[in-house]
Amino acid sequence: GQSLEQPSEVTAVEGAIVQINCTYQTSGFYGLSWYQQHDGGAPTFLSYNALDGLEETGRFSSFLSRSDSYGYLLLQELQMKDSASYFCAVPDSNYQLIWGAGTKLIIKP
Amino acid sequence: EAGVVQSPRYKIIEKKQPVAFWCNPISGHNTLYWYLQNLGQGPELLIRYENEEAVDDSQLPKDRFSAERLKGVDSTLKIQPAELGDSAVYLCASSSDKELYNEQFFGPGTRLTVL
Repeated sequence: GQSLEQPSEVTAVEGAIVQINCTYQTSGFYGLSWYQQHDGGAPTFLSYNALDGLEETGRFSSFLSRSDSYGYLLLQELQMKDSASYFCAVPDSNYQLIWGAGTKLIIKP
Repeated sequence: EAGVVQSPRYKIIEKKQPVAFWCNPISGHNTLYWYLQNLGQGPELLIRYENEEAVDDSQLPKDRFSAERLKGVDSTLKIQPAELGDSAVYLCASSSDKELYNEQFFGPGTRLTVL
């Protein structure tokens, strides 16, 4: 089966850098995705890693190490609007996304 | 480009009553997903459509849940009868095709409360 682990909550200060980790167990590997969800809002796609290394998109970066079954989302220059839940997700062989339980990011001024 | 549209946004019903949710995906998106999300959890897939065909409904509780996607565009998810444990947010998502399943576009969801 598939499973993902990520911290339930992370706290950081505005303007700082924060890393949200995700470890996964899969029978096959087809990529790691990250989504952002504000309270009461819809999940929004942030990034996708199929290969090892760092993918950068503005203030957000995502890293993958397939040998360690591990990835992380890095948020730089934190802004209050980044307060949200962040989910990692991996697809199974049926193209179905399996989601982690989410990490609630709390940003303090 | 319009996003995924869902209605209603909120629904409160008594247990044993029926309820239906509607979703209109992004124009041209062949793949449509219905998810259930409980508070503090990630979305859980209920059913996935490729055009009008349900290709993955293994997680759908078929004794009370049903879904349809006539003409391969908009879709309806129904619960009959609803139970207290069905209280959750029901999310609809779409992607342009099954190969792009990693990037799904979500609607705002329907928050269902069963009393």
